Amino acid sequence: DAKTTQPPSMDCAEGRAANLPCNHSTISGNEYVYWYRQIHSQGPQYIIHGLKNNETNEMASLIITEDRKSSTLILPHATLRDTAVYYCIVRVPTGNQFYFGTGTSLTVIP
Amino acid sequence: GAVVSQHPSRVICKSGTSVKIECRSLDFQATTMFWYRQFPKQSLMLMATSNEGSKATYEQGVEKDKFLINHASLTLSTLTVTSAHPEDSSFYICSASFPLARVETQYFGPGTRLLVL
Repeated sequence: DAKTTQPPSMDCAEGRAANLPCNHSTISGNEYVYWYRQIHSQGPQYIIHGLKNNETNEMASLIITEDRKSSTLILPHATLRDTAVYYCIVRVPTGNQFYFGTGTSLTVIP
Repeated sequence: GAVVSQHPSRVICKSGTSVKIECRSLDFQATTMFWYRQFPKQSLMLMATSNEGSKATYEQGVEKDKFLINHASLTLSTLTVTSAHPEDSSFYICSASFPLARVETQYFGPGTRLLVL
């Protein structure tokens, strides 16, 4: 079962930063937080992952709170192509299965 | 990032027939692959974990005799939907596990849309 909670939908103006929150209050000490996104009728695309430190790559930044109970994915300059469903996933420590929650449907508005 | 392909991208079949979907890791060897199913406007549901050279592990509620999984090599896993019925119509997605920064990360295929008439 998914161990994350995300808002069902969000809007963001094109060119502005999109901040997508995720709650994972029951996360274990050795579980990683992953973010993926799924554009309509495609397979999910890996964005970023982290354990406890903030992470940044060419796509996004991941901010994890000190208690690790929540995180925020930041798309610094949202474009129309960033419109997708964004999934926050906590990987179970006993294996590498991913259990997807309901995700956040992000709409970038011109 | 690592590339995973699926074939076919879409398939239409008659009720009662069997359909095979292939999942390939193109530029890396994947000892573990995963199969998901996604119904319209719903999230991905993990069906099974496929390990090279051994039997697949199915999630609770997934019929192993209906969804046959074979992982014969480090770059290929197949899902066969046997005796397909209209309720099996769905979007089937595979993924392959790949170590990224010393952490296992999954890369997903583009998906296969199955329509059973």
